[in-house]
Amino acid sequence: AQKVTQAQTEISVVEKEDVTLDCVYETRDTTYYLFWYKQPPSGELVFLIRRNSFDEQNEISGRYSWNFQKSTSSFNFTITASQVVDSAVYFCALRMNTGFQKLVFGTGTRLLVSP
Amino acid sequence: DGGITQSPKYLFRKEGQNVTLSCEQNLNHDAMYWYRQDPGQGLRLIYYSQIVNDFQKGDIAEGYSVSREKKESFPLTVTSAQKNPTAFYLCASSIIPGQKSNQPQHFGDGTRLSIL
Repeated sequence: AQKVTQAQTEISVVEKEDVTLDCVYETRDTTYYLFWYKQPPSGELVFLIRRNSFDEQNEISGRYSWNFQKSTSSFNFTITASQVVDSAVYFCALRMNTGFQKLVFGTGTRLLVSP
Repeated sequence: DGGITQSPKYLFRKEGQNVTLSCEQNLNHDAMYWYRQDPGQGLRLIYYSQIVNDFQKGDIAEGYSVSREKKESFPLTVTSAQKNPTAFYLCASSIIPGQKSNQPQHFGDGTRLSIL
């Protein structure tokens, strides 16, 4: 069975601190896709990043960076120099390459950035 | 701008009543989805559709029904059989996953449903 675990329920930081959101996944598929979504207080889910299982190159985009490690089944997300506008719930999701290929979501991590 | 429109933003249901949540997309996506979100939980798939006039049950379809008469529209009806309907409902769309599985789903702003 496929599963995504976000062990951190809530994280509180002060503005300008760096923060890492953890994501651990389980799948037997050899090909799969990982996503991070942001859910601000308004409710919509905003797509942030995707990674293919066969592409372990990590990436930095502005204040965001991602660390994908297949050996530990982890896909962690780091915000550098956090800002109040980063306050949201962040979801990690897994999609397999077989069957319907549905998205399996973690339970989310609520990030609170205070000024 | 292309996107997904969900309405209404807030909805109240009386006991024994069916209510319908609207979802419209102008992204020209073939696949559409309905998710339910409860506090402290991830999104759970209710129904999905990959083509007009066809849809499939997701993980928690009991007490819900859908239709897909047009490519752009995928309304969700919460029936009286759904005993615990209070939740946040999100609609999403994407190209059919099999074509490019790394393409993300795009989400609407959601509808918050409460019991009166």
